[in-house]
Amino acid sequence: DVKVTQSSRYLVKRTGEKVFLECVQDMDHENMFWYRQDPGLGLRLIYFSYDVKMKEKGDIPEGYSVSREKKERFSLILESASTNQTSMYLCASSETTLPVELFFGEGSRLTVL
Amino acid sequence: AQKITQTQPGMFVQEKEAVTLDCTYDTSDPSYGLFWYKQPSSGEMIFLIYQGSYDQQNATEGRYSLNFQKARKSANLVISASQLGDSAMYFCAMREGLQGGSEKLVFGKGTKLTVNP
Repeated sequence: DVKVTQSSRYLVKRTGEKVFLECVQDMDHENMFWYRQDPGLGLRLIYFSYDVKMKEKGDIPEGYSVSREKKERFSLILESASTNQTSMYLCASSETTLPVELFFGEGSRLTVL
Repeated sequence: AQKITQTQPGMFVQEKEAVTLDCTYDTSDPSYGLFWYKQPSSGEMIFLIYQGSYDQQNATEGRYSLNFQKARKSANLVISASQLGDSAMYFCAMREGLQGGSEKLVFGKGTKLTVNP
């Protein structure tokens, strides 16, 4: 089975802190994604990557950056956390062949105080 | 304009009955894929079913079926014989285009299904 592992299930940070959310997948998938989930808003795409060192902005990239130095690892970085970034963050990966189903990690719930 | 619209924030169904969760989509691309995911209270996203835009028949997976009406741009999820374990958030999602950079999914806002005993 595909396994997508997110390093932290729960984090509490202070405003202005730098935050790293790590995601690792073990199925050699080319594509990796970071989504943010908020009640009533569904999942919104922050960034995605279709290859090592490649990244593309999603729908809400402001305030975030990403890093993909190795194929299996995709990191989401909040350079200076703000309270409006309190949310659930979901990492996912997929192959490039159809249907291109996403495999998700368990999520990281971030609270910024 | 929203790409994926789920008009039912919450739905209730009696155990053992069938329930339909609505999803409409908006795209001008002739090639696309539609997905349904389930998210229980534990938080993990579970893939349920997929329908490609060129698929002639409605997709089915066990108790899940996708009622695909292409002209109406709807992709409703039907759950037959509901079980208490079906209580969860359900998300409809769409992929536009085929391969080559089109692998990202756009999600709806979700429907919370509650199955009553």
